[in-house]
Amino acid sequence: GESVGLHLPTLSVQEGDNSIINCAYSNSASDYFIWYKQESGKGPQFIIDIRSNMDKRQGQRVTVLLNKTVKHLSLQIAATQPGDSAVYFCAEGGSQGGKLIFGQGTELSVKP
Amino acid sequence: GAGVSQSPSNKVTEKGKDVELRCDPISGHTALYWYRQSLGQGLEFLIYFQGNSAPDKSGLPSDRFSAERTGGSVSTLTIQRTQQEDSAVYLCASSPRVYTGELFFGEGSRLTVL
Repeated sequence: GESVGLHLPTLSVQEGDNSIINCAYSNSASDYFIWYKQESGKGPQFIIDIRSNMDKRQGQRVTVLLNKTVKHLSLQIAATQPGDSAVYFCAEGGSQGGKLIFGQGTELSVKP
Repeated sequence: GAGVSQSPSNKVTEKGKDVELRCDPISGHTALYWYRQSLGQGLEFLIYFQGNSAPDKSGLPSDRFSAERTGGSVSTLTIQRTQQEDSAVYLCASSPRVYTGELFFGEGSRLTVL
């Protein structure tokens, strides 16, 4: 079936460095793509989204890039901080009704 | 301003028992979603509601699973005759409308079936 997956299950970075988390998706009919952050024991928290007619969107310390040619999504976190340590999920929506389809997640570990 | 509230936060039950999980969405949110998350895994879609109707219940794993929403607010997910493979965290989320990427999640109900 359709899926949204991640290239790397874990990512370890030094505090202050930039982080890049990648995601591959398979459904070219998706209307929007989203990144969520999930801290241990908590529910996922919305970070940023991007519509399919865009290729870049910036937020506070985060940038999402969308490459529809190769069906690739990435989340860039600038000046990574210990509080950024969490599991990050990509998700896609709009291709299968109102639900979001989530990928498997990447665990980001920030070393002080 | 309360967020999405789920209860119980933890539930331990014996195989074969029925369980009910409750979700109180953010007031005024039309859409309500249920997802399941197994240990170290991603989120598996179960069902979503628009108002009291469920346009998509395709993710419910079997007929032992059911969900309802009343008054456009509270939702209950019921699992009958629980099995060990039902053990997971059940997450509820709400949003002001459907077809949006921004869902507001609760902290989940952790279900353990012995």
